[in-house]
Amino acid sequence: DGGITQSPKYLFRKEGQNVTLSCEQNLNHDAMYWYRQDPGQGLRLIYYSQIVNDFQKGDIAEGYSVSREKKESFPLTVTSAQKNPTAFYLCASSILRTGGDRNTEAFFGQGTRLTVV
Amino acid sequence: AQTVTQSQPEMSVQEAETVTLSCTYDTSESDYYLFWYKQPPSRQMILVIRQEAYKQQNATENRFSVNFQKAAKSFSLKISDSQLGDAAMYFCAYRGSGGKLIFGQGTELSVKP
Repeated sequence: DGGITQSPKYLFRKEGQNVTLSCEQNLNHDAMYWYRQDPGQGLRLIYYSQIVNDFQKGDIAEGYSVSREKKESFPLTVTSAQKNPTAFYLCASSILRTGGDRNTEAFFGQGTRLTVV
Repeated sequence: AQTVTQSQPEMSVQEAETVTLSCTYDTSESDYYLFWYKQPPSRQMILVIRQEAYKQQNATENRFSVNFQKAAKSFSLKISDSQLGDAAMYFCAYRGSGGKLIFGQGTELSVKP
């Protein structure tokens, strides 16, 4: 079955350490996204990518980095520069443009809960 | 830059009644997509309904319908015959022609039996 997979589901990090969250999709989507969700808050865009080897900063990119070496994969690294990394992280993918209504929405992974200890 | 605003942090509806969730957005683009997503306690994001900006007709999906006012940049969601399973966080989202997908702050909907 096609879908988008995030791993791990739960992740613990010590202060000062970098950590990488995995996101893989087999939907043949060009666009991929990373969001951060804090309790009771909306989804804030961290980074997005429309094509391999290219990505753009979202609204809260500071302290995060990404890569897009393969169409299927868009890993997110939370660096030690991110002052408050404890949050729920969601990855999504979508097609970029269609000639009609077909599947224009984003598909989401199950999320990764990151806790700094 | 584009923005999406949901001005109702919380809403409540009686089972079998109708409720409308508000969403406004700001953009200078003419070609874009709008979405409503539902996020239950499991945190899985579920698409409720989509609307293409070039379409004047409001989208409908069973009990869910939208009121899309392009000139006013308004995109409200109406849920008819509300069910207990509709209780969730609802997010309005905007995707521009460049592919950037942004969300509003969310509205938490509770359904009273």
